[in-house]
Amino acid sequence: EAQVTQNPRYLITVTGKKLTVTCSQNMNHEYMSWYRQDPGLGLRQIYYSMNVEVTDKGDVPEGYKVSRKEKRNFPLILESPSPNQTSLYFCASSSYRGKGGYTFGSGTRLTVV
Amino acid sequence: SQQGEEDPQALSIQEGENATMNCSYKTSINNLQWYRQNSGRGLVHLILIRSNEREKHSGRLRVTLDTSKKSSSLLITASRAADTASYFCAGGSRLTFGEGTQLTVNP
Repeated sequence: EAQVTQNPRYLITVTGKKLTVTCSQNMNHEYMSWYRQDPGLGLRQIYYSMNVEVTDKGDVPEGYKVSRKEKRNFPLILESPSPNQTSLYFCASSSYRGKGGYTFGSGTRLTVV
Repeated sequence: SQQGEEDPQALSIQEGENATMNCSYKTSINNLQWYRQNSGRGLVHLILIRSNEREKHSGRLRVTLDTSKKSSSLLITASRAADTASYFCAGGSRLTFGEGTQLTVNP
């Protein structure tokens, strides 16, 4: 089944403790992206990647890192999480430049206390 | 920066009625996409309309695109309670989203 898999689904952590949210897709998509969703703010793009070793900032990249060493994986790294990063996170992938529509993961609900 | 802005923010209708949601966008696009999200879940791609298309159908969905007005609309015909969800439009080279329309279909 074609899918984007995010882990974990739920995570509660403490301020400053580094964490990684994994994202993997099995559709050989070039394009992958991370979004966060907050009430009243909609979905905002954090980082995106056009292909392996090609990443770029989205609209809200501060406090996040990403890497794209393999085509299928696009982990989101929070080096020092803060409470304002409490949010619902989504990973998405698409064939080149989203011309075929995006496939989204099920989301990761992160709480930073 | 938001590409799509949906209108209305919330829409409540009775089962069997049609639901129309509108979207305005800011910059030029190659295509515009509509997504659905059930509460707290991932977004599901519904339909994509290319910039050279004016209308597209998929089942009970009808999407129109007016590039001169930078606007699109999504029509859901004969709505069902199961259509209750948030609907988002998205476009642009980085696929940026609006805040969505929350549709409630009452049985």
